Amino acid sequence: NAGVTQTPKFQVLKTGQSMTLQCAQDMNHEYMSWYRQDPGMGLRLIHYSVGAGITDQGEVPNGYNVSRSTTEDFPLRLLSAAPSQTSVYFCASSLRTGVTDTQYFGPGTRLTVL
Amino acid sequence: AQSVAQPEDQVNVAEGNPLTVKCTYSVSGNPYLFWYVQYPNRGLQFLLKYITGDNLVKGSYGFEAEFNKSQTSFHLKKPSALVSDSALYFCAVRDPGNTPLVFGKGTRLSVIA
Repeated sequence: NAGVTQTPKFQVLKTGQSMTLQCAQDMNHEYMSWYRQDPGMGLRLIHYSVGAGITDQGEVPNGYNVSRSTTEDFPLRLLSAAPSQTSVYFCASSLRTGVTDTQYFGPGTRLTVL
Repeated sequence: AQSVAQPEDQVNVAEGNPLTVKCTYSVSGNPYLFWYVQYPNRGLQFLLKYITGDNLVKGSYGFEAEFNKSQTSFHLKKPSALVSDSALYFCAVRDPGNTPLVFGKGTRLSVIA
């Protein structure tokens, strides 16, 4: 198993550009989520999905869209990039949506918006 | 809503000494508590979790954590620190209502040889 994979690893955008961060898992996990990590702020939840076709907003959803058309993939779209979206983005998944399930994280995407 | 606090941004420990990374939480009902570690330029890795039962939880790499309900704490401990333990440690909490996992701000552990 590859686990949770994310592409690209690094990305530089100009203000106003759009892009999609890719996330895939091959563990047949129901639950997937996106976090951003900023210095001194820990990880903050952007969006999450409890299964194919179902998504919901997290703590900081503004400026981001998600969709979950398959169990394996959970892309994060930046509609019009802003410098405030400069961050490291992590995708995570867990087998079920139960409160006790352990989340597995991808290696991250480091995004810089100029 | 649940929350978690890691009161120390940085913890410095000499190699071979015991280490403690502190975490306190606030939830409605019984908490589900997790510790994750992040090595430089890597994603988070699961260390251990408390769900129910014994208050002392043992995890990966010799780490353990003690759940203290009266003090609403879940401190991470290791009897003898290694230089390779140097990393960023995150505490996380979830409440019984199946709300998303909430992370603390992280504590950077530096083990000095």
